[in-house]
Amino acid sequence: KQEVTQIPAALSVPEGENLVLNCSFTDSAIYNLQWFRQDPGKGLTSLLLIQSSQREQTSGRLNASLDKSSGRSTLYIAASQPGDSATYLCAASSETSGSRLTFGEGTQLTVNP
Amino acid sequence: DAGVIQSPRHEVTEMGQEVTLRCKPISGHDYLFWYRQTMMRGLELLIYFNNNVPIDDSGMPEDRFSAKMPNASFSTLKIQPSEPRDSAVYFCASSEFPTQTQYFGPGTRLLVL
Repeated sequence: KQEVTQIPAALSVPEGENLVLNCSFTDSAIYNLQWFRQDPGKGLTSLLLIQSSQREQTSGRLNASLDKSSGRSTLYIAASQPGDSATYLCAASSETSGSRLTFGEGTQLTVNP
Repeated sequence: DAGVIQSPRHEVTEMGQEVTLRCKPISGHDYLFWYRQTMMRGLELLIYFNNNVPIDDSGMPEDRFSAKMPNASFSTLKIQPSEPRDSAVYFCASSEFPTQTQYFGPGTRLLVL
């Protein structure tokens, strides 16, 4: 059974700082890994999806990496802005679970102006 | 496209009543997912469909919960009878093969008194 852990649970940084959010998963037979953003009282917004055959994906100031051997993924946010403040969730699916995504608990990010 | 549409957005009901949540996926998507989010348990997958067929319902908590997808553009999640511990935010999401990026609706906030 896939289990996903995110560290830290909360992070507060000043505007302009580069930061890294961490995600670890237990089943290395991963199908894909997705990063989402959730604003308070809202649904989830997909940020990046990394297929098992890929090592990273980039979108604007965001870069996500995947290391299957160590069971880790990182989300790098460059030049953080107050608008980046949200909860970031990592979710993984494994080859045995099909399209079932297992979510981490999330990292609550606050970017201070 | 309008994205994933869920109704109602908010529902307050009394214990023992039947609750029906509705979802319209993004047109052309062949996967539909129902999730539940609580502070205690985080985001949990309840059930998902592929081409209107239920594939994995192992997350459905008990027989009081049922889900249907009569056609490609509509799904329901029903709770009968409802209990206070069912209070949560219920999300619907959809995706398409092979990209598998999941797009979430805004959620239904359910409060069972």
